[in-house]
Amino acid sequence: AQSVTQLGSHVSVSEGALVLLRCNYSSSVPPYLFWYVQYPNQGLQLLLKYTTGATLVKGINGFEAEFKKSETSFHLTKPSAHMSDAAEYFCAVSGGSSASKIIFGSGTRLSIRP
Amino acid sequence: KAGVTQTPRYLIKTRGQQVTLSCSPISGHRSVSWYQQTPGQGLQFLFEYFSETQRNKGNFPGRFSGRQFSNSRSEMNVSTLELGDSALYLCASSLARQGAGEQFFGPGTRLTVL
Repeated sequence: AQSVTQLGSHVSVSEGALVLLRCNYSSSVPPYLFWYVQYPNQGLQLLLKYTTGATLVKGINGFEAEFKKSETSFHLTKPSAHMSDAAEYFCAVSGGSSASKIIFGSGTRLSIRP
Repeated sequence: KAGVTQTPRYLIKTRGQQVTLSCSPISGHRSVSWYQQTPGQGLQFLFEYFSETQRNKGNFPGRFSGRQFSNSRSEMNVSTLELGDSALYLCASSLARQGAGEQFFGPGTRLTVL
């Protein structure tokens, strides 16, 4: 079974500052991990994903995430926040097989201060 | 390649009525999953259809039902609407079952129950 916890329902950073959104997961099998972004009144868009291989994953819009098995974490980072990054971000985990479900976290709303 | 489309985008109904929402997946995708998103409950999984069969189901009452057609298009039906059914309903498609890879989301249908 899989589960995912996003720490912090709301994160606020200044424009140009580092963005760090935290995600911890639990999985009984090697996980597939995802970060999605949702802009107001839109669906979710995939930012990046980890399946196998390199643990540092680069995504769209300058975001990246690192899979740390020892810490069961998959935190999302961006070196310099932009006003257009304001959105809700969802971390998700699956078991990577047809038999598993995809489980979404509760989401983190990111606000950017001018 | 066209993305996931959902119709209608907005819908207003009154309590006791029923509603049908439609989702057209990306061409070639055989899995369609439905989610309910509300400010209080976040993103909640409703059900997944794959090759016209319901494969997974979330914890929703029987008033919520769905089906998938041979062309992979899916419909979701909610009968005897309640005020609490007001939400953004998202559909997501994927090549394989939802646990095996990333999902692609549609823009959602905003349902308001008066």
